[in-house]
Amino acid sequence: DQQVKQNSPSLSVQEGRISILNCDYTNSMFDYFLWYKKYPAEGPTFLISISSIKDKNEDGRFTVFLNKSAKHLSLHIVPSQPGDSAVYFCAASEYGGSQGNLIFGKGTKLSVKP
Amino acid sequence: ETGVTQTPRHLVMGMTNKKSLKCEQHLGHNAMYWYKQSAKKPLELMFVYSLEERVENNSVPSRFSPECPNSSHLFLHLHTLQPEDSALYLCASSQGGQSYEQYFGPGTRLTVT
Repeated sequence: DQQVKQNSPSLSVQEGRISILNCDYTNSMFDYFLWYKKYPAEGPTFLISISSIKDKNEDGRFTVFLNKSAKHLSLHIVPSQPGDSAVYFCAASEYGGSQGNLIFGKGTKLSVKP
Repeated sequence: ETGVTQTPRHLVMGMTNKKSLKCEQHLGHNAMYWYKQSAKKPLELMFVYSLEERVENNSVPSRFSPECPNSSHLFLHLHTLQPEDSALYLCASSQGGQSYEQYFGPGTRLTVT
């Protein structure tokens, strides 16, 4: 059973508008969450992360929100740019868990149209 | 070279072949990882090495054999693979300890015929 779920396989947004990518998790022991971005023919690149002691983390155009009670996190991209078109992966980890044991979702493909 | 590099980028092999995937990290990290990404599936962690010692082996079949000769290099030796092993194999590295942020290579696209 998947512990990290990205239920939207794809999302299409107009340039300049907000992109909201969602992620749900089932393991209440997860305490650190990450978003990765992946372009075709490249490996995933780290984008932004959040610890479970926070509910928001912001880095430029990217903001991650965490709702622990709902076991839900989201990535907001404002404003969206065509270069943001990529597959976005949500990942989670449990403090004290196995070294580097990141659990990934299946990814959401974001298309930003000019 | 910077970051994490992987060779080859593409590999086609028969089920009776033996081949190796290579990963090299230029970031001074002390932990390295092998992941498998199959179509329409999440990334699956295969192996973790920390300070050149294997610390994780997620029930991976023995036809996959990792080797970490030093903290900068990681290999995945392949033998008698099955067609269902065709996937993208990604290498990653991190600072280790409780550093969750992993840096990925571009991957090797493996096709088993």
